[in-house]
Amino acid sequence: RKEVEQDPGPFNVPEGATVAFNCTYSNSASQSFFWYRQDCRKEPKLLMSVYSSGNEDGRFTAQLNRASQYISLLIRDSKLSDSATYLCVVAQGADGATNKLIFGTGTLLAVQP
Amino acid sequence: EPEVTQTPSHQVTQMGQEVILRCVPISNHLYFYWYRQILGQKVEFLVSFYNNEISEKSEIFDDQFSVERPDGSNFTLKIRSTKLEDSAMYFCASSEVFGAQQPQHFGDGTRLSIL
Repeated sequence: RKEVEQDPGPFNVPEGATVAFNCTYSNSASQSFFWYRQDCRKEPKLLMSVYSSGNEDGRFTAQLNRASQYISLLIRDSKLSDSATYLCVVAQGADGATNKLIFGTGTLLAVQP
Repeated sequence: EPEVTQTPSHQVTQMGQEVILRCVPISNHLYFYWYRQILGQKVEFLVSFYNNEISEKSEIFDDQFSVERPDGSNFTLKIRSTKLEDSAMYFCASSEVFGAQQPQHFGDGTRLSIL
């Protein structure tokens, strides 16, 4: 089983649509969770951290379900500029001795005019 | 906003040659990382570095790889004898403190092409 698993997409949506991405992770001891965004041939950029209680940042909402080992990202009112690959990222850190990031393969979003 | 900077942006090297990739982390950050991304694949952890020593390394980070912080600002990744399969995008990252909750900030990468 992959450490972090995502649907690769692509998700093709019209401007203004709501789109949701899902991710599962295999290590139940994982401590921290993030969504990064990566534009083509660019570096990953932190979009938001994901907290157990769920959190929102403008049009973006992230949810975490530890019992199901499942993370989600919801984008409302999508813009053309949201077109990118969305990376689900998990930090191990179970024993406090590591904070390496484990990346999913990413979900490609294409917002159409 | 402070950022991680990497040089060069693109490095082309003959197989078997040594290559050094350079990074300047964010100035008050103490933890440094290298990741790589082979074209079309996911980002993979290589190594983490703190207090002038390696904290953790992956299976990819074999004896051909080394890291150092030679002068208190630069953080370098050296590949001693490059192979074709080392061709990838190499990202440096840094974080202010240790902890899985701490976000890591990435540089814009060095594209390494091995011929």
